[in-house]
Amino acid sequence: NAGVMQNPRHLVRRRGQEARLRCSPMKGHSHVYWYRQLPEEGLKFMVYLQKENIIDESGMPKERFSAEFPKEGPSILRIQQVVRGDSAAYFCASSPPGTPWSEQFFGPGTRLTVL
Amino acid sequence: TQLLEQSPQFLSIQEGENLTVYCNSSSVFSSLQWYRQEPGEGPVLLVTVVTGGEVKKLKRLTFQFGDARKDSSLHITAAQPGDTGLYLCAGVSSNDYKLSFGAGTTVTVRA
Repeated sequence: NAGVMQNPRHLVRRRGQEARLRCSPMKGHSHVYWYRQLPEEGLKFMVYLQKENIIDESGMPKERFSAEFPKEGPSILRIQQVVRGDSAAYFCASSPPGTPWSEQFFGPGTRLTVL
Repeated sequence: TQLLEQSPQFLSIQEGENLTVYCNSSSVFSSLQWYRQEPGEGPVLLVTVVTGGEVKKLKRLTFQFGDARKDSSLHITAAQPGDTGLYLCAGVSSNDYKLSFGAGTTVTVRA
């Protein structure tokens, strides 16, 4: 049973470009969460999605960031017009149907570097 | 301000020694989880505790949830170099339903 998959593992963008991060949850999981990790700051919640629905985006910056989890295909975290402060590791996690915020299984992350 | 405070921030010990990592909060949690993260990888779930006073053992790792469900500890007996990593606690608050993470404790076990 494959775990949570994320790609790309590393992404380099210049300021002003767009970054697209993809996440495929574990088979059978219907809840997807995105987190951002900065050195020595732990993981910060960004957004919680179910298929075709954004459930909670209270951790997302108001501008430039968006997320989706379409009926078919992976979840996408999109960052438009990236700035140097967007450089971080972005992790996706998934959990099975049932109680949200239950045990979450993480992918290997995408490390975004903005030049 | 972190909802969950972990201490110490860094811990370096010799192989064979014991260590304890603490996770504290002023909030009550309905459940608390411990993860280990290695460089370049995502966090891996170690354990979930849900009952106040609960103790769970995973080989040489012992996890305890405080009676008031506000704090937790992770104790490693006879640490090995393979235990090296970033240990993260994360809790689901009773006032909310989000999973909040501590900043982590970086453990280094020297051979």
